[in-house]
Amino acid sequence: AQSVTQLDSQVPVFEEAPVELRCNYSSSVSVYLFWYVQYPNQGLQLLLKYLSGSTLVKGINGFEAEFNKSQTSFHLRKPSVHISDTAEYFCAGSGVDAGNMLTFGGGTRLMVKP
Amino acid sequence: DTGVSQNPRHKITKRGQNVTFRCDPISEHNRLYWYRQTLGQGPEFLTYFQNEAQLEKSRLLSDRFSAERPKGSFSTLEIQRTEQGDSAMYLCASSLGGGRGNYGYTFGSGTRLTVV
Repeated sequence: AQSVTQLDSQVPVFEEAPVELRCNYSSSVSVYLFWYVQYPNQGLQLLLKYLSGSTLVKGINGFEAEFNKSQTSFHLRKPSVHISDTAEYFCAGSGVDAGNMLTFGGGTRLMVKP
Repeated sequence: DTGVSQNPRHKITKRGQNVTFRCDPISEHNRLYWYRQTLGQGPEFLTYFQNEAQLEKSRLLSDRFSAERPKGSFSTLEIQRTEQGDSAMYLCASSLGGGRGNYGYTFGSGTRLTVV
């Protein structure tokens, strides 16, 4: 069974500082990985995805993530955050199983301070 | 393409009542998913449809939960005899799926259910 773990429930950071949100997954089969962002009282918006190929994936809003198979990690990074990046971030994975069901991590609340 | 639409946005109901939520997916998407998100948690998978066929429903939380997608377009999620523990955000998503591909879902804004 696949599981996704987000190691930090909250990450406070000052505006314009770099940030890394950590995600580890467990799987014994091929895996697809995603990062979603959720603003208050809204649904989830896809930031980026890893399907195959290059392990460095670039997404929207200046975010990027690196797939590391040996460490089973898919950490999300941004070199300089803005106040508007304050939100909940979810890492998710799916295997090549029926329906491509997503398994989500518990989320990381990114709090950008002025 | 107006995205995934969910109605209502908010629902307050008394314990024991039945509720039904609607989801209208992106028109060309053949797959439709329902997830539940409780406060401070990531979404958890409930069920999904490929066209009108419900291909996975073992994750529905109890037999009080049921979902339909009668014509392969919109879907409804019904909860019978609601309990306070059913209070959560119910999220719908759609995708163009098949084979080994998984290109990411488009989520709706969710229906927030409060059972009092």
